[in-house]
Amino acid sequence: GAVVSQHPSRVICKSGTSVKIECRSLDFQATTMFWYRQFPKKSLMLMATSNEGSKATYEQGVEKDKFLINHASLTLSTLTVTSAHPEDSSFYICSASRSGGLEQFFGPGTRLTVL
Amino acid sequence: AQKVTQAQTEISVVEKEDVTLDCVYETRDTTYYLFWYKQPPSGELVFLIRRNSFDEQNEISGRYSWNFQKSTSSFNFTITASQVVDSAVYFCALTQGGSNYKLTFGKGTLLTVNP
Repeated sequence: GAVVSQHPSRVICKSGTSVKIECRSLDFQATTMFWYRQFPKKSLMLMATSNEGSKATYEQGVEKDKFLINHASLTLSTLTVTSAHPEDSSFYICSASRSGGLEQFFGPGTRLTVL
Repeated sequence: AQKVTQAQTEISVVEKEDVTLDCVYETRDTTYYLFWYKQPPSGELVFLIRRNSFDEQNEISGRYSWNFQKSTSSFNFTITASQVVDSAVYFCALTQGGSNYKLTFGKGTLLTVNP
């Protein structure tokens, strides 16, 4: 149990376009989802925390207008990178946790390359 | 504020050697949780262990063992008789009690096990 999927696993887009990444909890209800960003050979940096039905809480320095997060259901959260630029190229990882749950279950990640 | 330090950026060993990955943490909370994750080249985070601040008992799971010492704020991870498949980036992480259990990750240690 506790499987989290991400789609797509890999995406290449042109500069200026928007890209949507989906994070799904496949076999449990995820009241909280987290979005992380990881640069090559770097650690995971938390971008935002989203609770189902609420606006996401962004970490300091993360542009909420650029990284739109929607958590409309208990099994799906989406991250949209708007007007992507080459510096947005990164590995994006989501995780999900149950209500009151301590443990985060991580998705396999999405590698975004912006040309 | 909480902080996780993994001072070893990269470690290289020969197969069958034992290796210890260090993790030192900082937190002002009395209740907190420590984690270790493995990130193989595929990128997906693999959960290895969770420890709460009230349980200082060391743990062994197969070739893996963990040494939690509150007196030195350390949560070190040892792999006995390392194997090539152990090659990965290992992250130590910390979360305090709270509504969302946000994780703070260390910078990770790249372990390379050579045949």
